Amino acid sequence: DQQVKQNSPSLSVQEGRISILNCDYTNSMFDYFLWYKKYPAEGPTFLISISSIKDKNEDGRFTVFLNKSAKHLSLHIVPSQPGDSAVYFCAASATGTYKYIFGTGTRLKVLA
Amino acid sequence: ETGVTQTPRHLVMGMTNKKSLKCEQHLGHNAMYWYKQSAKKPLELMFVYSLEERVENNSVPSRFSPECPNSSHLFLHLHTLQPEDSALYLCASSQESIGVSTNEKLFFGSGTQLSVL
Repeated sequence: DQQVKQNSPSLSVQEGRISILNCDYTNSMFDYFLWYKKYPAEGPTFLISISSIKDKNEDGRFTVFLNKSAKHLSLHIVPSQPGDSAVYFCAASATGTYKYIFGTGTRLKVLA
Repeated sequence: ETGVTQTPRHLVMGMTNKKSLKCEQHLGHNAMYWYKQSAKKPLELMFVYSLEERVENNSVPSRFSPECPNSSHLFLHLHTLQPEDSALYLCASSQESIGVSTNEKLFFGSGTQLSVL
């Protein structure tokens, strides 16, 4: 049973527009969430994180929103750039554990 | 460059071969991880080492054998693998040792793409 789900395997967005990537989780013990970006032939690189005590965290063009009641988080990229084209993974963990549970990823393509 | 280096980048092996994957981190981190990424599946945690001690073996078959000789190096020894073991194997590290801190970021290497024939 997948505890972290990214239901959209792919997403295409026009350059300059907003990209919204979604992630759902089932385990109410999760209280820390991360987004990673992965280019082909490279390992995932950390993008942004959020703790469950917040509902929003912003870093430049990237904003992560957390809706604890819905067990849902989303990553907004504004404005989207062609260099943002990559696979995006969300991950979740619970305090006191070192296990990061990853989703299957969403492939974002930003069209010039 | 994330500070985590994995070799080799690609590996093709037969089912009777023995090979090893190597990971080295230059970040001074205390915890190291092996993850497996199969096609269209989430990253699966295989092993975790904290201060060179294995703290997690996530029901991984014994044909995968990890080794952590020091906090900077991590190996994954492979023997008698199956074709379904073909995947991308990712090494990662995090700063604090397990139990000291939570909410750690993982730093990943570029991975070893393994094909078992």
